[in-house]
Amino acid sequence: AQTVTQSQPEMSVQEAETVTLSCTYDTSESNYYLFWYKQPPSRQMILVIRQEAYKQQNATENRFSVNFQKAAKSFSLKISDSQLGDTAMYFCAFMIPGANSKLTFGKGITLSVRP
Amino acid sequence: GAGVSQSPSNKVTEKGKDVELRCDPISGHTALYWYRQSLGQGLEFLIYFQGNSAPDKSGLPSDRFSAERTGGSVSTLTIQRTQQEDSAVYLCASSFSYQGTGELFFGEGSRLTVL
Repeated sequence: AQTVTQSQPEMSVQEAETVTLSCTYDTSESNYYLFWYKQPPSRQMILVIRQEAYKQQNATENRFSVNFQKAAKSFSLKISDSQLGDTAMYFCAFMIPGANSKLTFGKGITLSVRP
Repeated sequence: GAGVSQSPSNKVTEKGKDVELRCDPISGHTALYWYRQSLGQGLEFLIYFQGNSAPDKSGLPSDRFSAERTGGSVSTLTIQRTQQEDSAVYLCASSFSYQGTGELFFGEGSRLTVL
């Protein structure tokens, strides 16, 4: 079974600074996808960034980038130039591609951006 | 176009009562998921529908939980004889790709409180 671990329950960052959210996972599969989802106070989850395990290059989306360390099974999210709108819960998630593509989520981390 | 719509947004019920939660996915999306989010926990997979295939019910916590998807579109999650531990936010998500690229589109959830 696959597991996703987010060991930091809460983090806080000053506006305009950089913050890194940690995530580790455990799997015996070699082909998989990793994700970071954001859940703002409105509750609606949205996809932040996705990484395919076969790609060595780290994914980036504007201010969001990942540090994917496959051997270490680590997948951290870096948010640069933090904005107040980044305040949310962030969930790391894992999926093995295929017909039954259910995501396995970590417990999430609450990020607060201070003005 | 419209996103994933869930109703009711909030539901308060008494222990022992039955409840129905509704999800209207994005038009054309073939895959539909139900997740449960308890306070301080990650997202717990409940059930997955893909087209006309038999649903994956492996995440349903007990036989009090059931779900159906009519006409490949709207889904209803039913909880019979509700218990206090059923209190949670129930999230519905849909996606277009059968191959499962992992980008799920979530609704805002239905918050269930069992007194």
